[in-house]
Amino acid sequence: SYVLTQPPSVSVAPGETARITCEGNNIGSKSVHWYQQKPAQAPVMVIYYDSDRPSGIPERFSGSNSGNTATLTISRVEAGDEADYYCQVWDSGSDHQMFGGGTKLTVL
Amino acid sequence: EVQLLESGGGLVQRGGSLRLSCAASGFIFSSYAMTWVRQAPGKGLEWVSVISGSGGTTYYAESVKGRFTISRDNSKNTLYLQVNSLRAEDTAVYYCAKAGSSGVANFLDYWGQGTLVTVSS
Repeated sequence: SYVLTQPPSVSVAPGETARITCEGNNIGSKSVHWYQQKPAQAPVMVIYYDSDRPSGIPERFSGSNSGNTATLTISRVEAGDEADYYCQVWDSGSDHQMFGGGTKLTVL
Repeated sequence: EVQLLESGGGLVQRGGSLRLSCAASGFIFSSYAMTWVRQAPGKGLEWVSVISGSGGTTYYAESVKGRFTISRDNSKNTLYLQVNSLRAEDTAVYYCAKAGSSGVANFLDYWGQGTLVTVSS
């Protein structure tokens, strides 16, 4: 089955830029979606179709996808951005939704 | 406002069964695929199953195939997950989530708050 690989953790100082990667074989040919999950809360979609932002999500959140890597970029990071982030794709080969293992973003 | 409210979780013995429900409101339920995603304590998200808007297409993760059954009642705006032959590794919070369209290959734009299933040995 299709495997998505994320770094377990990313740390960044407030005001800096965080980049969270999601690696998969030729992931650039798939649509990638990203979710934010804060402790004891349900996930919230922050990016869909690689780079689209749902209403209510700050412009600081952006996404890109090319080759074997999709990236979620959070500009001007705030303390409130501290959370786990997951990438997700549909694997048409297996007809399965796939999630990455998740990345814990720590704001120093 | 889209709302998804799961229920039916609880403590069950290994080998037991439960039926999870997800009551939906705030959107035309039959027009959207629905998904179950679970999260074991301290672990990441794991996709469980998806059903198309009409209910005619369903898919399952390999870990639950043959034990879990997803269904929906569009007249009651409710999604279900029948979970049988429960194992310790099925212990998790189970979330229902709304897809972005009627098709199964989609993003998940709204999530419920989850219902906890605990399997005891």
